[in-house]
Amino acid sequence: GAGVSQSPRYKVAKRGQDVALRCDPISGHVSLFWYQQALGQGPEFLTYFQNEAQLDKSGLPSDRFFAERPEGSVSTLKIQRTQQEDSAVYLCASSFFLTPAGGEVGNQPQHFGDGTRLSIL
Amino acid sequence: AQTVTQSQPEMSVQEAETVTLSCTYDTSESDYYLFWYKQPPSRQMILVIRQEAYKQQNATENRFSVNFQKAAKSFSLKISDSQLGDAAMYFCAYSQTGANNLFFGTGTRLTVIP
Repeated sequence: GAGVSQSPRYKVAKRGQDVALRCDPISGHVSLFWYQQALGQGPEFLTYFQNEAQLDKSGLPSDRFFAERPEGSVSTLKIQRTQQEDSAVYLCASSFFLTPAGGEVGNQPQHFGDGTRLSIL
Repeated sequence: AQTVTQSQPEMSVQEAETVTLSCTYDTSESDYYLFWYKQPPSRQMILVIRQEAYKQQNATENRFSVNFQKAAKSFSLKISDSQLGDAAMYFCAYSQTGANNLFFGTGTRLTVIP
């Protein structure tokens, strides 16, 4: 696709409900990231995938948060038993991970989606 | 732990003038990357400019340039000839070499006055 696509754009849920947020990265991008952006704050890292492998989930705030990318393309961030403090914008980003002969190259620019604004009532 | 500090919550600039946004960071690493991202009201984060710490030359992208002071751990963004479309939140971000996640500052909201 032309850019990173996230859906839904807005999500309102009652406290205690489960939600699922979708991210469709740029075609060919191996790396996929999820960030949480609270109101008036910068984004905070949640988790990172390289293809279907979740290589870093150190930023997930609790075991209620779960992310998957089963086929190495689309990713879903799931939040179980939502709480009011989960209200935030959830950003997805993807990047192209180069692996030239003899080494890896990371730190490629990340391309962000529009985000999903989650409101927990 | 890496931290990124943006001490200016809000800045304003007259159209066609120059403005500088400040950013400092804390790291024990010698090799890393620094970024400035722009986030307009539509929310999509857009990369403005990127600096590799091992390069002494300051990065430049058209009207955007940085002043990278490695010893001082300072990474400021200069916007020349400001345009109305430059109005947005600007985030400074850090990434450790070989790692992948970005550490963001709290942002600076830039207003451009016609």
